[in-house]
Formats: sequence, C-alpha cells, structure tokens
Amino acid sequence: GAVVSQHPSRVICKSGTSVKIECRSLDFQATTMFWYRQFPKQSLMLMATSNEGSKATYEQGVEKDKFLINHASLTLSTLTVTSAHPEDSSFYICSARGSGNTGELFFGEGSRLTVL
Amino acid sequence: GENVEQHPSTLSVQEGDSAVIKCTYSDSASNYFPWYKQELGKGPQLIIDIRSNVGEKKDQRIAVTLNKTAKHFSLHITETQPEDSAVYFCAASKRAGGFKTIFGAGTRLFVKA
Repeated sequence: GAVVSQHPSRVICKSGTSVKIECRSLDFQATTMFWYRQFPKQSLMLMATSNEGSKATYEQGVEKDKFLINHASLTLSTLTVTSAHPEDSSFYICSARGSGNTGELFFGEGSRLTVL
Repeated sequence: GENVEQHPSTLSVQEGDSAVIKCTYSDSASNYFPWYKQELGKGPQLIIDIRSNVGEKKDQRIAVTLNKTAKHFSLHITETQPEDSAVYFCAASKRAGGFKTIFGAGTRLFVKA
C-alpha cells in the first residue's frame, strides 16, 4: 500500500515555542491530507483538512492561528503548533487520501508532542 | 451531526476464540466503511474496508458485514492470536465532502494466550 511518512516521531519543546510536524506521501500524490489529534486511550479527532494549494479547512473548535497548516506540494503537508503550551501535548497523526479517490486513507506513524 | 458509535470499548478473548466489534453510523449518505488497527505509539493501519454496495467482505481471518438499512457494520476476527491485541477503530465516510472520515471511539482488544 501507499506510504505516508511523518516526522518527527517524537518532539519535546518548551512552553511558548513553536513546533513543526511534516507529513509526506512517499509514493503517491496526495491532493488532500488530514490532521488528527489523539489523546491517550481516545479516538482520533479530526483537526483539519489540508488541500494542496489552498487554505486548510479547520474543524469546529480548532484554532487556525494556533495550528498552522501548509500544503505547498502534492507530497507534503506541515502542521505547526504555535506558542505551544502543556495542554497541546498530544499524539498528532496525519493521513493522506489515495490517488484513486476511493476514500482509502493512509496514515503516518504519528508524532508525539510533549510541551514542558 | 455525523456520528459513529462503537462497542464494546474493551474486549478480552482467549486465543483461538472469535472477536466481534460493532459500529453504528448516523449519516445515511456514508458509503465507505474502513476498519483500522492501531498498536501502541503507532499510526492506524487499514485492515479491511467495505463499501455500501457490498454486504460482506472477508480477508483470511477478518470479515466485515454491513447492514445499510440498520446503519450497522461489524468486524469479525476468527481464530484470534496474541498479535491481534491492539485498538481497533471503525470509521465511516462519504464521497460528498471529500471523504471526510468519522471514527468510532475504538475497541481495545486483548487476546490472552
């Protein structure tokens, strides 16, 4: 199946700093990528839909100025957590939709963010 | 709004037994139903999916059934093995809206050796 790479897998930062997480589709072009947040023992909560070449669509309750999403190419989307605080600590996962427009999603391995 | 409910939240079975996880969805326009397996500290992996024009699909020890009328779908794992232990998520999506996927709350499956 298609491969989605996410980097970094783990990051620890100080409160007030910004952190960037990258999501790459390695062997296919992804016009749409999705960003999720997952708290321990909970489900995946969709944060935003990232469309190549246009502004991301954020879910209700997700601050777009806090979670900056850029999808500048067909293989790369980035999520920047700005002015991070301890409550932003979480597992962030990206996914990319397959090129066949079948609905199948391919997930990255996730990035665990810890804000001290 | 769109919602996917998943039960049970935790399931413990003996190795070799079958495991069944059930989900219901609210949006009758949903037409794609994937199931994902997530191991600790990793991203979800697709294990099987079913589309609304099919009632059942099987892949070795894993099968999924779909009842569109009742808006129910289920995952069946037979001859469970310890390596099947993980968290399983059902999901529902539809072509309209760009296949935005709604996930169930997850089922933590424990397979005891």
